[in-house]
Amino acid sequence: EVQLVQSGAEVKKPGESLRISCKGSEYSFTNYWISWVRQMPGKGLEWMGRIDPSDSYTNYSPSFQGHVTISADKSISTAYLRWSSLKASDTAIYYCARHAPKSPETPMVLYIDYWGQGTLVTVSS
Amino acid sequence: DIVMTQSPDSLAVSLGERATINCKSSQSVLYSSDNKNYLAWYQQKPGQPPKLLISWASTRESGVPDRFSGGGSGTDFTLTISSLQAEDVAVYYCQQYYSTNTFGQGTKLEIK
Repeated sequence: EVQLVQSGAEVKKPGESLRISCKGSEYSFTNYWISWVRQMPGKGLEWMGRIDPSDSYTNYSPSFQGHVTISADKSISTAYLRWSSLKASDTAIYYCARHAPKSPETPMVLYIDYWGQGTLVTVSS
Repeated sequence: DIVMTQSPDSLAVSLGERATINCKSSQSVLYSSDNKNYLAWYQQKPGQPPKLLISWASTRESGVPDRFSGGGSGTDFTLTISSLQAEDVAVYYCQQYYSTNTFGQGTKLEIK
């Protein structure tokens, strides 16, 4: 069964750096894009960006470009989301998510078919 | 970016009745080369990650009850639950994957 297992909850102070992880298993990691999605407390889903683990090519939402960095290590089937300087407004649950298989019939990255369990990030002084 | 707007923001329906959620995109998500709508629907229950219900606007995922159906094309889409069950209480999101990805703001579905 496909699994995306995320790292555990984090409590950080404003200005600190953080990297959270998402390990994929039971599928070929390099054949599927991975996205990161934010959910602030009591709010909806916001797509942040995605990575193609085969070559680490990334796309970012304009709302998140420059505020976070998405990376991947295909040797250990793991994707990462990194902040260099956290703010209180970064408090949220962050989900990693796998996109449906790449298709030769379309240039688009397809819908999300599997989700990680989420990582709660709390930023507070 | 394509903006996705759902209506209503919340909806209360009696058990066994029909529930309909609307989703409108700021530009068409119908790809002319394959004539497919790049639109998905997700269900999120409290404390859980979202779950894929429907892709390509109307293709139900394996294991999703057939009371869930998706329709529409171009810029206007619907998710219909034909006979609401208690376990359907959740927040529902549409998402376009025509140009990167954006989600609608969500529709909270409750029992009346």
